[in-house]
Amino acid sequence: KAGVTQTPRYLIKTRGQQVTLSCSPISGHRSVSWYQQTPGQGLQFLFEYFSETQRNKGNFPGRFSGRQFSNSRSEMNVSTLELGDSALYLCASKAQETQYFGPGTRLLVL
Amino acid sequence: DAKTTQPNSMESNEEEPVHLPCNHSTISGTDYIHWYRQLPSQGPEYVIHGLTSNVNNRMASLAIAEDRKSSTLILHRATLRDAAVYYCILRDLYSGAGSYQLTFGKGTKLSVIP
Repeated sequence: KAGVTQTPRYLIKTRGQQVTLSCSPISGHRSVSWYQQTPGQGLQFLFEYFSETQRNKGNFPGRFSGRQFSNSRSEMNVSTLELGDSALYLCASKAQETQYFGPGTRLLVL
Repeated sequence: DAKTTQPNSMESNEEEPVHLPCNHSTISGTDYIHWYRQLPSQGPEYVIHGLTSNVNNRMASLAIAEDRKSSTLILHRATLRDAAVYYCILRDLYSGAGSYQLTFGKGTKLSVIP
């Protein structure tokens, strides 16, 4: 099976803009989680989607949102970008006790 | 989720076994012990998990103390490709109807010396 794919891999935006990141889970996986990784805070959970419904959410402001489509692909959106949003954004699809991570999207906010 | 404690860094010679420790003294009876690793410039990768008994898979072995307050990830023969940050994570079996998040700490950075 193909692994988790994320697009784009790299992105540069400026403050105030918005961004949409995409994640395609492993075929057959219905759960998609998103994480943010920064040097200062490490890996932090953003939210999880299952069957198009958000069923778990981390402690991030409302500027961070997501959605999941009927084919389990997921997108996350960050509005009104801040410099501190520069990070590696990872998504993971889950099967039972194992999460499979994608390579991430590296976002740089200038 | 209960807290884990890991050394910040460890070194190993190539082709030697590596024992990565993790303390989790406040573990509850329903917490799974998970290990993930993150190679440079990649997303985390599942390594192994267990509940009470020792576990083996093609990547590693997980030794769990009898009181479950600590565990050790064992890489039987370190290779250069094993150089990564290793995360020990506890996951409550009964958290949220199948939904759970992984709470990553700072992990142990393993360096493998050729």
